[in-house]
Formats: sequence, C-alpha cells, structure tokens
Amino acid sequence: DAMVIQNPRYQVTQFGKPVTLSCSQTLNHNVMYWYQQKSSQAPKLLFHYYDKDFNNEADTPDNFQSRRPNTSFCFLDIRSPGLGDAAMYLCATSSGTGASGYTFGSGTRLTVV
Amino acid sequence: KQEVTQIPAALSVPEGENLVLNCSFTDSAIYNLQWFRQDPGKGLTSLLLIQSSQREQTSGRLNASLDKSSGRSTLYIAASQPGDSATYLCAGVTDSWGKLQFGAGTQVVVTP
Repeated sequence: DAMVIQNPRYQVTQFGKPVTLSCSQTLNHNVMYWYQQKSSQAPKLLFHYYDKDFNNEADTPDNFQSRRPNTSFCFLDIRSPGLGDAAMYLCATSSGTGASGYTFGSGTRLTVV
Repeated sequence: KQEVTQIPAALSVPEGENLVLNCSFTDSAIYNLQWFRQDPGKGLTSLLLIQSSQREQTSGRLNASLDKSSGRSTLYIAASQPGDSATYLCAGVTDSWGKLQFGAGTQVVVTP
C-alpha cells in the first residue's frame, strides 16, 4: 500500500544535541510537509517542500531545518533541541493543492531530556 | 489568514448515540476541507475529504457536509461505538500551496 513512513516512532534526545527525524513516501506526491503538534494542540506547520522548492513558515524557529534529497525522502533537523521542542512531529504529503487529500505518517514523538 | 474553530472541545456520549462535530472557518475561499481522526499518541488518519465544489461526502457511518457560504462543516457519526473514541480534527486549505490550517480538535469519548 502507498504510504508515508516516519522513523523513528519515538526519539529521546539530550538538551542541545542535534537530532534528525525522517519521513519517506511511496505516493510519489510532489509536496511534503512537516508539522509540529504539542499536547492537546492543533498541528502547526513548520515548512513544506513543493518538489525541491523549500518554503519556511514565518514563525518557524531557525533551530529547525529540513532537507529533501529526492521525491521520496524528507528530513527534519533540530540543531539544538530545547525542552520546548518536545512534541509529536508529523510528516504529510499531498499532490499539490490537496485535491486528492493529505496523507500523514504515524508521527515521531520527540522527548528532550 | 484562515482560522479554523472546532466546537465543542470535548464530547462524551453513550454508545449508540449519533455524534455531531462542528467546524467553522473564516475564509470561504476554501479549496477543500478534510476531517481526520487522531488516537492518543498517534498520527492522523484521514476520514473524509470534501472539495470546494462538493456539499458532502459519506463513508460508512460517517457523513461530512460543507457549507462555504456560512463557513461551516459538520461531521456526523451514526450509531457511535466505543471504538470511535478519539480526537477529531478538521482542516481546510485556502492557498495554492495546499497548506492545511487545523482546528484544535474535538475529543470524543463513547461510553459502553
């Protein structure tokens, strides 16, 4: 089945230690998104790629970076995680304006100790 | 900027009752609206997608309506079951990048 896969499901990192979360898709969608969701809150868009074009949300901290080496993979890098970065990180894909909807991965739960 | 509101924030019903979840949005120039289900600690599962040209979509016990003129969408779940307990989020797209703007969700508990 076509899907969006996030690894790992759970990630524990130390305060200030760089961490990378990964997302892969078999849907061949040209848009990939990273959302951050804190407890009991709505998912918040961090950035998205339209093909290779990177689009950062205005309020996404500089601490967060992303890479998309090819259509299938997208990475979220947190350069110096703080306690406030503990959250669920969700990867999603769509075919553009979302006419065929959005597919989300299972998420990575990040804990910062 | 599109703002999406979901009321109520939480809802508890006995098994067998019909569920009505509300979603309102401020920008009627919406491309589409999607309803998701989220179980605790898990990702989002797509339930229904309604395009701007459509008024409703149905899947099994689920029916979602879209009224662009009033800025509202409603998700109906018929004959609720304990397995329907989850948080339900609605999200709309109002720009050409396809960015989803989410509501904060409605947490549903169905008691046996």
